[in-house]
Amino acid sequence: EAGVTQFPSHSVIEKGQTVTLRCDPISGHDNLYWYRRVMGKEIKFLLHFVKESKQDESGMPNNRFLAERTGGTYSTLKVQPAELEDSGVYFCASSLFAGVAGDTGELFFGEGSRLTVL
Amino acid sequence: AQSVSQHNHHVILSEAASLELGCNYSYGGTVNLFWYVQYPGQHLQLLLKYFSGDPLVKGIKGFEAEFIKSKFSFNLRKPSVQWSDTAEYFCAVTAYNQGGKLIFGQGTELSVKP
Repeated sequence: EAGVTQFPSHSVIEKGQTVTLRCDPISGHDNLYWYRRVMGKEIKFLLHFVKESKQDESGMPNNRFLAERTGGTYSTLKVQPAELEDSGVYFCASSLFAGVAGDTGELFFGEGSRLTVL
Repeated sequence: AQSVSQHNHHVILSEAASLELGCNYSYGGTVNLFWYVQYPGQHLQLLLKYFSGDPLVKGIKGFEAEFIKSKFSFNLRKPSVQWSDTAEYFCAVTAYNQGGKLIFGQGTELSVKP
């Protein structure tokens, strides 16, 4: 079974440009998460989809970031316009269930998309 | 707000040495606790998790962790490390009914010398 796949693995863009990151979760996983790790810091939550709906977007830094999940399958994260501080590794994760009966299902992570903004 | 603190940024050990990585969290309610590992060039993968029951949790590759509620700690241990354990280790917590939203620590980079 395929795991979580992310594309591109590395993107280098100039400040002010637009970048779109894509995540394909494990088939059948309704829960999809985006996380980000800025160099040297902790991995931070960005948002959580349940199917096509945004369950929690409390971690989104500002309105330059737009996440979508078309039809509850793959998800995209667009940064427009990109700023220097957006550089980092963007991780996507998916899970079968989340918070059922107090148990949080295992999150399966992709390899991440490294974004470098020059 | 919840937070997770990992005590060591970088740990260097020789093969066969024992390992203990510290993790403390701040949250007063019911939590699920995790250790994830990222080997060089690979994706984050789950080592072990605590949900309820026995506070001593055994994971893959000989790792274990002990949940001590009174100390808000979830330290990771392995009696004898191998060169292949070289990786970055992340402690994470999620609160009950938070929809699986993980709060991560800063990560600990482990280097094992052969």
